[in-house]
Amino acid sequence: EVQLVESGGGLVQPGGSLRLSCAMSGFKSHDHAMHWIRQAPGKGLEWVSGIFWNSGVTGYADAVKGRFTVSRDNVNNFVFLQMNSLRVEDTALYYCGKDVAPGGLGVWGQGTTVTVSS
Amino acid sequence: DVVMTQSPLSLAVTLGQPASISCRSSQSLVYADGNTYLNWFQQRPGQSPRRLIYKVSDRDSGVPDRFSGSVSGTVFTLKISRVEAEDVGVYYCMQGTHWPYTFGQGTKLEIK
Repeated sequence: EVQLVESGGGLVQPGGSLRLSCAMSGFKSHDHAMHWIRQAPGKGLEWVSGIFWNSGVTGYADAVKGRFTVSRDNVNNFVFLQMNSLRVEDTALYYCGKDVAPGGLGVWGQGTTVTVSS
Repeated sequence: DVVMTQSPLSLAVTLGQPASISCRSSQSLVYADGNTYLNWFQQRPGQSPRRLIYKVSDRDSGVPDRFSGSVSGTVFTLKISRVEAEDVGVYYCMQGTHWPYTFGQGTKLEIK
């Protein structure tokens, strides 16, 4: 069974940092891209960042560019999201998602909650 | 960035009746490989999003055939032929052709 499991969320003060992790299991192939998507309380889905598994090429939403960094561990099948200079508006449920084919986000994790508050 | 505009934002449907959600893209979603990476997701209350449809009209494994997707120009449509109680939730379109991926605002489906 394919599975994505996020961890690393928590409560942090504005200006603080957190590192989210996403563990992948059960996948036969690790081609295509991995993504982070967030959902603020009561709001819709917002793509945050993505990384192409093979090339390592990354992309970021304007709202997080320069503050967040996505990376991967090819050996242990993890994706990370380093979040610095956190703001109140970064408060959300953060999902890890995987393209199992191009352009698709076919598999999602259960999410990890990030709360930025003083 | 590609803007995805969904309508309606809320929908109340009688059980057994059809439902339709539209999603308009601000630009073409045809990728260089000829595919159109338009997806539809369902998010039931308290759950993670689940993909229903990919590449405009292909159903994911396990998705009932009462769900279907189509396109006319840059307007994409998700149709539910006969709404069931388990269909309650929020539906999102998402384009995966251009980075950043972008989502529609979501359509909340309720039972009348």
